[in-house]
Amino acid sequence: LAKTTQPISMDSYEGQEVNITCSHNNIATNDYITWYQQFPSQGPRFIIQGYKTKVTNEVASLFIPADRKSSTLSLPRVSLSDTAVYYCLVGDMRYTGNQFYFGTGTSLTVIP
Amino acid sequence: KAGVTQTPRYLIKTRGQQVTLSCSPISGHRSVSWYQQTPGQGLQFLFEYFSETQRNKGNFPGRFSGRQFSNSRSEMNVSTLELGDSALYLCASRPSRDRGQESSYNEQFFGPGTRLTVL
Repeated sequence: LAKTTQPISMDSYEGQEVNITCSHNNIATNDYITWYQQFPSQGPRFIIQGYKTKVTNEVASLFIPADRKSSTLSLPRVSLSDTAVYYCLVGDMRYTGNQFYFGTGTSLTVIP
Repeated sequence: KAGVTQTPRYLIKTRGQQVTLSCSPISGHRSVSWYQQTPGQGLQFLFEYFSETQRNKGNFPGRFSGRQFSNSRSEMNVSTLELGDSALYLCASRPSRDRGQESSYNEQFFGPGTRLTVL
C-alpha cells in the first residue's frame, strides 16, 4: 500500500499559481499518480493523472521527477472556487484487488 | 453517461440500529469500492467488490459488510450502529479488469456520498 505525504494546508491569493507537492517514496513500478479535488460533503473529483515527466490538461499540470518518489500538482491562476482539499493518490486502478491510501490531503484556501 | 449515484443522500439513525446504503456504478463499470470519510480519520477504504465478489477489505470491524449484485450495483450494511459511525460514506466505481486482461483505463469515479448521522 503506497502511502503519501502532503502538506496539511496552504493559503494562496487569487490569481497566483499554486504548487502542491506529494511524497510517495514507496511507489511501485506499475503505480500511477492521481490527484483528486474534494469540496465539502461531495465525493472527490479527478483532476489529473500521470506516470512520469509532465502531464498537462485544461485545469492543472502534474510534474513527476525521474525517480517518481514525489509529484507536484500545479494550479495556474487560482480562483476562490479552487478552495478545496486536494488528495494525491498512488496506485494502479486498472485491476481489482488494489487498495488506495488517500492520506490527509492538502486543504487549499484561496484568499481574495 | 450517468455518474455514480448513491442513495439515500442523508440518513439519521440511532445507536444500535442497522443501515443499508446503496450505490449504482457508472454503466459498464464492474468494480465498486466503498470509503468512509470522517474529520478525524480522513478517507478510509472499506472494501471493493468486483463481479459480485469482495476483492479487498480495509481495516474495519465485521459490523461493516457489503455485497454486489449481478448488475454491479452494490450495497453496504452497518449493523449495531455506534456514534463513531457517523460519517460521509462514498462509493467509487471503475472499469477494472482481472489481472491478465488488458485495460488501459486507470481512474475511479466517486459518487456524491451518503451522509450518515448516528444519534
